[in-house]
Amino acid sequence: EAQVTQNPRYLITVTGKKLTVTCSQNMNHEYMSWYRQDPGLGLRQIYYSMNVEVTDKGDVPEGYKVSRKEKRNFPLILESPSPNQTSLYFCASSRPGLPGDTQYFGPGTRLTVL
Amino acid sequence: AQKITQTQPGMFVQEKEAVTLDCTYDTSDQSYGLFWYKQPSSGEMIFLIYQGSYDEQNATEGRYSLNFQKARKSANLVISASQLGDSAMYFCAMRGRNNFNKFYFGSGTKLNVKP
Repeated sequence: EAQVTQNPRYLITVTGKKLTVTCSQNMNHEYMSWYRQDPGLGLRQIYYSMNVEVTDKGDVPEGYKVSRKEKRNFPLILESPSPNQTSLYFCASSRPGLPGDTQYFGPGTRLTVL
Repeated sequence: AQKITQTQPGMFVQEKEAVTLDCTYDTSDQSYGLFWYKQPSSGEMIFLIYQGSYDEQNATEGRYSLNFQKARKSANLVISASQLGDSAMYFCAMRGRNNFNKFYFGSGTKLNVKP
């Protein structure tokens, strides 16, 4: 089954404790992206990657890091989480070629930073 | 700058009636794609429908259709014969040609279908 997986699905942590949210896709997509969803703001892009070792900032990259060492994986790293990073996070993947290539989303990770 | 605007934070519709969810966009790209996604209370994002900026006909997918008015920069989603399972958040999104790596989402519309 074609899918994007994220782990963990739920996470409660404390300020400053480094964490990683994993994302993996099995569709051989070149393009992957991370979003955060906050009430009233919709989804905002954090980082995206066009292919292995190619990443770039989205609209809200502060406080986040990513890496793309393998095509299927795109982890999101919070080196020193803060309460304002409490949010619902989505990973997505797609083919990169045309505007019509829709994204396939993971199930989401609900993060709470105390 | 690219921007998506959804002006209806919440809407109600009677079961079996049609409903239109509004979406306007702002872009300087000549070629772009417009998407609608559904987010039920369980949280996942479900792709519904796509419209390309150069598509001459409005997109349709089952009970979903997209009322695309390019000159007005609007891409409204029409759901016909609403069902209780249509109750969800709906997001309009855009992907540009000049930078097709960036997706822009609206703030969403919460649709409630009444029995």
